[in-house]
Amino acid sequence: GAGVSQSPRYKVAKRGQDVALRCDPISGHVSLFWYQQALGQGPEFLTYFQNEAQLDKSGLPSDRFFAERPEGSVSTLKIQRTQQEDSAVYLCASSGWGLGNTIYFGEGSWLTVV
Amino acid sequence: GIQVEQSPPDLILQEGANSTLRCNFSDSVNNLQWFHQNPWGQLINLFYIPSGTKQNGRLSATTVATERYSLLYISSSQTTDSGVYFCAVEQGRTGANNLFFGTGTRLTVIP
Repeated sequence: GAGVSQSPRYKVAKRGQDVALRCDPISGHVSLFWYQQALGQGPEFLTYFQNEAQLDKSGLPSDRFFAERPEGSVSTLKIQRTQQEDSAVYLCASSGWGLGNTIYFGEGSWLTVV
Repeated sequence: GIQVEQSPPDLILQEGANSTLRCNFSDSVNNLQWFHQNPWGQLINLFYIPSGTKQNGRLSATTVATERYSLLYISSSQTTDSGVYFCAVEQGRTGANNLFFGTGTRLTVIP
């Protein structure tokens, strides 16, 4: 597609439920990122893939968070046993490789845990 | 870790006015970008500017890396400029775009 596509756009989950958020990056983009944005805050880095390899997962807040990109294109962010503090917008972004490459963000998946 | 501070936190402008947004960062960086987040949450890259000056229409940006700050200028503001402006930096040289965002400047342009 023309841009980064994320689904679902909105998700309401009951506390303790598992959720899966999908990201379709721009075709051909090597790099894929997940960010978490709490209300009124800037995005915070969660994890980074170069093709199918997860090179940095230092931002994942707990072992309940898991991300994968098995074929180097589509990525899924999974949150197990959701808690209220997981409520946030989850942003996916992709870019080409190297300094100076523009990063493109999706519109985000808005997660509310009740 | 690196600190990224933006000022002012909130700004209200009359349509047609000019403004300057500031980003200070606490350590040397290899990547600095400005983003606009519209009211629907979409983040749009405005500038990749680790140093120097760039212009794009009514927007321009300047980064003085040695003094660890960047400025975003908006001239002849329009209501569509409303939203949150983020400065984001990266310290690594990998080109991976692993960005650290500031807390943003919320701009409201009133007609």
